[in-house]
Amino acid sequence: GENVEQHPSTLSVQEGESAVIKCTYSDSASNYFPWYKQELGKRPQLIIDIRSNVGEKKDQRIAVTLNKTAKHFSLHITETQPEDSAVYFCAASKISGGYNKLIFGAGTRLAVHP
Amino acid sequence: EAGVAQSPRYKIIEKRQSVAFWCNPISGHATLYWYQQILGQGPKLLIQFQNNGVVDDSQLPKDRFSAERLKGVDSTLKIQPAKLEDSAVYLCASSLGQGYVSGGYTFGSGTRLTVV
Repeated sequence: GENVEQHPSTLSVQEGESAVIKCTYSDSASNYFPWYKQELGKRPQLIIDIRSNVGEKKDQRIAVTLNKTAKHFSLHITETQPEDSAVYFCAASKISGGYNKLIFGAGTRLAVHP
Repeated sequence: EAGVAQSPRYKIIEKRQSVAFWCNPISGHATLYWYQQILGQGPKLLIQFQNNGVVDDSQLPKDRFSAERLKGVDSTLKIQPAKLEDSAVYLCASSLGQGYVSGGYTFGSGTRLTVV
């Protein structure tokens, strides 16, 4: 069945350093790849997404890259700040006819130390 | 715009008891999802509605879980009887449901269920 693997499960960086989280997906028909940030006790919130017709997307300090051939995508956070500390989830889905079933990775707990 | 509303925020029940969760999606969102998030894991889809019809319930444990969205707006998720392994956060999400999703899902704050 569909599967999304996410690595690493935990990541610790110093403030100002970069953080990279990687995901692989199994369904080659997947065409939508969002990233969610979840702070402790709060709802997952969409921070960036990418579609299969794009290889890279950037939004200020956050960027996502997609390699369709290898079926993997990555989240890059530059100049990390303590408020970036959270759990980050990648997801993949195949949008078809308005239906969008997101399959989530297991999450990466990012800790940014001042 | 108002977000996805869920209630209750917390619920503690004994095993074998019943429990129900309520969700009100964003106005105009045709698609509604219920996800189960066990501590330390990513959300797992339980059921997906398009208006008042079920699109996908392949991972819903139908012997104990049920869900409905009778008028195509609010939805309820029920567990009867509950097991210890049902302890999790139950997240409701909604999306426009038309072609390419713009902005992905919007999640509610979730209901944290503890089964003792």
